[in-house]
Amino acid sequence: AQTVTQSQPEMSVQEAETVTLSCTYDTSESDYYLFWYKQPPSRQMILVIRQEAYKQQNATENRFSVNFQKAAKSFSLKISDSQLGDAAMYFCAYRSAGETSGSRLTFGEGTQLTVNP
Amino acid sequence: DAGVTQSPTHLIKTRGQHVTLRCSPISGHKSVSWYQQVLGQGPQFIFQYYEKEERGRGNFPDRFSARQFPNYSSELNVNALLLGDSALYLCASRMRQGAPGYTFGSGTRLTVV
Repeated sequence: AQTVTQSQPEMSVQEAETVTLSCTYDTSESDYYLFWYKQPPSRQMILVIRQEAYKQQNATENRFSVNFQKAAKSFSLKISDSQLGDAAMYFCAYRSAGETSGSRLTFGEGTQLTVNP
Repeated sequence: DAGVTQSPTHLIKTRGQHVTLRCSPISGHKSVSWYQQVLGQGPQFIFQYYEKEERGRGNFPDRFSARQFPNYSSELNVNALLLGDSALYLCASRMRQGAPGYTFGSGTRLTVV
């Protein structure tokens, strides 16, 4: 079974600064997807960024980028120019590329990000 | 377009009762998944349905069941509620099997007293 570990329960950053959230995962599969989701107090899980394991290039979405190290099974999220609206719980998630077992998402425990003005 | 909608938003039930939670996926999305998120933890997979068939089940007791209707909406049913069933229940939809991305609803907050 796959597992996802987020070792930072809480992080804080000053507005306009850069912060990196860590995630490691364990799998024996070679083809999979990794995600970062953001969950604000509104509770809705919002997709921040997605990485396909077969792609060597790190995914980037505006101020959000990842550092995907497949051999190390590491998938960190960098938020540049942090904004007050970035404050939320961030979850790292894993999904097999195949459709077995309902293509479930396996989530980490989350990192609560605080952005200080 | 409307996103994934869930109802009700909040619910309080007594131990031993039954509850039904509802989810309407994004128009055109045929796959619906359910997740349980206990306070302070990441979501846990409960079920996935595609084209009205169960395609995956997480490690949850038989008290949990679900179904998907011809219009692709879905219900999650929980019987004989326990205090430990108190959680946020999230529904997620995607267009088809193989599509990598999921869109989540805002969830139903269930409190069992």
